[in-house]
Amino acid sequence: EAGVVQSPRYKIIEKKQPVAFWCNPISGHNTLYWYLQNLGQGPELLIRYENEEAVDDSQLPKDRFSAERLKGVDSTLKIQPAELGDSAVYLCASSPKLVGTDTQYFGPGTRLTVL
Amino acid sequence: AQSVTQLDSHVSVSEGTPVLLRCNYSSSYSPSLFWYVQHPNKGLQLLLKYTSAATLVKGINGFEAEFKKSETSFHLTKPSAHMSDAAEYFCVVTSSNTDKLIFGTGTRLQVFP
Repeated sequence: EAGVVQSPRYKIIEKKQPVAFWCNPISGHNTLYWYLQNLGQGPELLIRYENEEAVDDSQLPKDRFSAERLKGVDSTLKIQPAELGDSAVYLCASSPKLVGTDTQYFGPGTRLTVL
Repeated sequence: AQSVTQLDSHVSVSEGTPVLLRCNYSSSYSPSLFWYVQHPNKGLQLLLKYTSAATLVKGINGFEAEFKKSETSFHLTKPSAHMSDAAEYFCVVTSSNTDKLIFGTGTRLQVFP
């Protein structure tokens, strides 16, 4: 079974430029998560989808971040414009059921560097 | 509110010696607890999880953890460290009233030959 796929794995951009990350969850997983992981820290939830619906986006900085999950499968996370402080690893995870205590399966992440 | 505290940011052991990674949690509701491992440039992988069944939980790669409600702890142990165990380990809490995973700050495990 293929795991969670993320691309690109690495991205270097200049500040004020836009950037987008893509995630393909495990087939059949209804719930998809985007996390932000700063250096030396644990991941922090940005947004959670149940199928197409964003059910928790309270931690998403909506002035510059946006996300979508069309058709309830793949998802894209966008930053526009990027700031120096956005340099981090962006993780995508998915889980099979609509229950919070189910195991989440993580992708390898996209490491963003903003210059 | 829920939180986890990983008591050690770094742990160093020799290969073949026991591993102990400490975690204390705080939760207003019955918690579910997890340990995840993150190898460099790889995704987080679930080691084990506790969801109110047996208090001693066995995971992959010889790891286990014991849920102690009286001590609000969920320490991760392994009898004999292997070089391949060197990684970052995260203790995680969630509960039935929320779908949010709360991660600790991580413990970096180094294993020396």
